[in-house]
Amino acid sequence: EPEVTQTPSHQVTQMGQEVILRCVPISNHLYFYWYRQILGQKVEFLVSFYNNEISEKSEIFDDQFSVERPDGSNFTLKIRSTKLEDSAMYFCASSEGGRGPGELFFGEGSRLTVL
Amino acid sequence: AQKVTQAQTEISVVEKEDVTLDCVYETRDTTYYLFWYKQPPSGELVFLIRRNSFDEQNEISGRYSWNFQKSTSSFNFTITASQVVDSAVYFCALSEDNYGQNFVFGPGTRLSVLP
Repeated sequence: EPEVTQTPSHQVTQMGQEVILRCVPISNHLYFYWYRQILGQKVEFLVSFYNNEISEKSEIFDDQFSVERPDGSNFTLKIRSTKLEDSAMYFCASSEGGRGPGELFFGEGSRLTVL
Repeated sequence: AQKVTQAQTEISVVEKEDVTLDCVYETRDTTYYLFWYKQPPSGELVFLIRRNSFDEQNEISGRYSWNFQKSTSSFNFTITASQVVDSAVYFCALSEDNYGQNFVFGPGTRLSVLP
């Protein structure tokens, strides 16, 4: 069964460092997303990406964040200068799109710990 | 703006009991989509069901069933004859966007099924 894969599963970094989280969405999907879940809290939308550009982003997704689809398979989230409050589980998701939102297929998440 | 409420923060039941997880949503749109996701202790998000606003038929899938009531803006989830493996956090989510660009998740309900 096709799945969304994410790397790394866990990353520990020092405050102020740049972090890149990587995702490989399901190959025939058109919409890509990043969500964040601070420990014990709800899942929050960060950004959606379609046709090689950001289609929507939340207030959380400030100038410290960027996304990129550098090739036909990877979808990355970069945090330019990490802060303590960026510590969270980051989920990548993809969907087929089209008529009505299909299910979002989530990856297993990348846990980011900022020290 | 859309909003999802899951009033039950935590529920504990004994194996084989039935349990219902409540979800109440708010939206001004007439077209919207509702979802349930399961987050087991391993952390990934597992899709359970999607329902659009025009389809109020209840759905049953094995031990799982969903009750969609537009009149009360609720989309409740029942697990029949619960099992220990059902222990997880369950999230209800709402999407107003036809392309699933921005899911709003509820805060989640942590279900513990005791042997």
